Formats: sequence, structure tokens, C-alpha cells
Amino acid sequence: DSGVTQTPKHLITATGQRVTLRCSPRSGDLSVYWYQQSLDQGLQFLIQYYNGEERAKGNILERFSAQQFPDLHSELNLSSLELGDSALYFCASSTGVTGIQNIQYFGAGTRLSVL
Amino acid sequence: TQLLEQSPQFLSIQEGENLTVYCNSSSVFSSLQWYRQEPGEGPVLLVTVVTGGEVKKLKRLTFQFGDARKDSSLHITAAQPGDTGLYLCAGDDNQGGKLIFGQGTELSVKP
Repeated sequence: DSGVTQTPKHLITATGQRVTLRCSPRSGDLSVYWYQQSLDQGLQFLIQYYNGEERAKGNILERFSAQQFPDLHSELNLSSLELGDSALYFCASSTGVTGIQNIQYFGAGTRLSVL
Repeated sequence: TQLLEQSPQFLSIQEGENLTVYCNSSSVFSSLQWYRQEPGEGPVLLVTVVTGGEVKKLKRLTFQFGDARKDSSLHITAAQPGDTGLYLCAGDDNQGGKLIFGQGTELSVKP
């Protein structure tokens, strides 16, 4: 158990819908990362938050947004869903953002299926 | 764009054989992490290497970070069926914390 909790484990929804994925980081970790894993793209970085503030963005679509709350949990919101958004979404956390503080621990993921 | 090239992409071997997985880049990374992932699960951290030339051993697994911190290798001795899984290398580009992942090596160890 990595200590990172993601809910729900599975999500099945229809095109055009909106979903929210939730992540609770390891106790004491301030940094949260979201990654998308699909068969053809591998693991791709989406967005990072550190202590409530957005710190870095990757190839995240405008239809996607995220936030980190004062209690450090994070939510990833996906809207106007398309078939191609079907993937595994992972959250990871670390104590900090550089060097040895950036050892990232991953949650078990949320499998999103858009039908 | 920073890339990590991982090879081989697929590896199917018999129990007891040795193998090496390579992770190469033209970019320098401040650290490199190796993960193992099983189907439907999240990546599980195996090791982090931070110093050029560093070698770390984890039972039958040996990890090496290149002197220039651009490449790394994972060597497994006497592979066992329990080693089966997807092995991922990931580099910290030292530009805020995100990890750049290789495409992964799918290892299958047959009894």
C-alpha cells in the first residue's frame, strides 16, 4: 500500500458527461501529480499541485481541470468526455518537488471508460 | 521535448534466466526512478537513483545510473515468474517535479 488513495476505482460514463476523480496523498506529502495512462501513449503527466497551488502543467486538455484543497486532497475534473478519454488516471504524491523529496508514490488509479 | 527510450519493449524469458532493461535519454535527469506495475494497478516504486554512476541492489535486482545521468539500466538475475510485470523508468527533469516516463518493458517470466 503506497498510502495514496484514489476513488473511485472504476468509472463508466457516456460521451459528453462530466466526472470527478479524487485523490488523497500520503500523510505529510504536499505535492500531488496527475498522470494519464493509455495503451498507445504510456504514462503522461497532466498537472501538478504543491501545497494548494498549481505548479506545473503537462499536456492537459482544456476540458480537464484540477485543484488541491486545504486538506491537500486533490480532484481532477474531466468534462465533455470523449471516447478517447478512456484511460487509467493515476495520482501520485511526494513530500516536495526536487531531488530526494520528489520520490513519487502512486495510487491504484481510476479506470475511466467512456461509452 | 525530453524523452526516455526504454528497451526492449517486450521480453519473454524462462525462469532462471538473466535480463537487462535499458533506459536512455539525450537529457540529463536529476534523479531516475524505476517502477513495476501490474495490470490494473498503480506503479510501485522499486528504487530511486540520484548520483551519476550509482549502483543500487535490491535482492536479485541491480540498478545503475549512468555517469552523465542520462541513462539507467535494470538487471535481474535468475528471473522468477513473480518478476512478471511492466517495468517503467521515470526521470525527474528538475523543472518542477514532473516525471518523464519511458514506454515501459513488458516482462514475462515463464516457469
